[in-house]
Amino acid sequence: DIVMTQSPATLSVSPGERVTLSCRASQSISSDVAWYQQKPGQAPRLLFYDASTRATGIPARFSGSGSGTYFTLTISSLQSEDFAVYYCQQYNNWPPYTFGQGTELEIK
Amino acid sequence: QVQLVESGGGVVQPGRSLRLSCVASGFIFRNYGMHWVRQAPGKGLEWLAVVSNDGSNKNYEDSVKGRFTISRDNSKNTLYLQMNSLRAEDTAVYYCAKEFYLKALDYWGQGTLVTVSS
Repeated sequence: DIVMTQSPATLSVSPGERVTLSCRASQSISSDVAWYQQKPGQAPRLLFYDASTRATGIPARFSGSGSGTYFTLTISSLQSEDFAVYYCQQYNNWPPYTFGQGTELEIK
Repeated sequence: QVQLVESGGGVVQPGRSLRLSCVASGFIFRNYGMHWVRQAPGKGLEWLAVVSNDGSNKNYEDSVKGRFTISRDNSKNTLYLQMNSLRAEDTAVYYCAKEFYLKALDYWGQGTLVTVSS
């Protein structure tokens, strides 16, 4: 199975800052990565697929990049509504469709 | 708009069974693969199972293979998850999710909580 490893587990950041979250795959998965945002008590929301294609309605301050084994999600200027947990997921080699363990963005 | 509404969760004793349902609307259900994903309390997301658009292909995560069965009824726009031999570690919120062309999961339900406890 492909293992997705996200780092760091928690990031303390201030509103307005730029932040980059990382996700590393245990083997090459081309660009077959999705990113999700989950707020407390809510279902996950798709942010990106194919590593860098923004899902419908996702603001431009979010960007995704990477291929092979290393992927990043960048938020250019953090807004209050962006504090949440972010997950990466691979769909290159399944089953299973593995998720990373998540990175929590918390307010500094 | 796309809606996925899960039901069927609750408290169940270890070893017993439960069937979850997910009613879909706002898209052509029969055209898309569908998934189940769960989240244990305070933990991350765990993918469980997928069924193809016509129900002919099914795949499972190893920890639920042989205990859980995913199925769908395209005439009722409904996805199911039959869960047998439930264990305490199956306690989680269970989400159904729509697949986006063999890629990501673009719409999710609100989840239904399953608690396995004696």
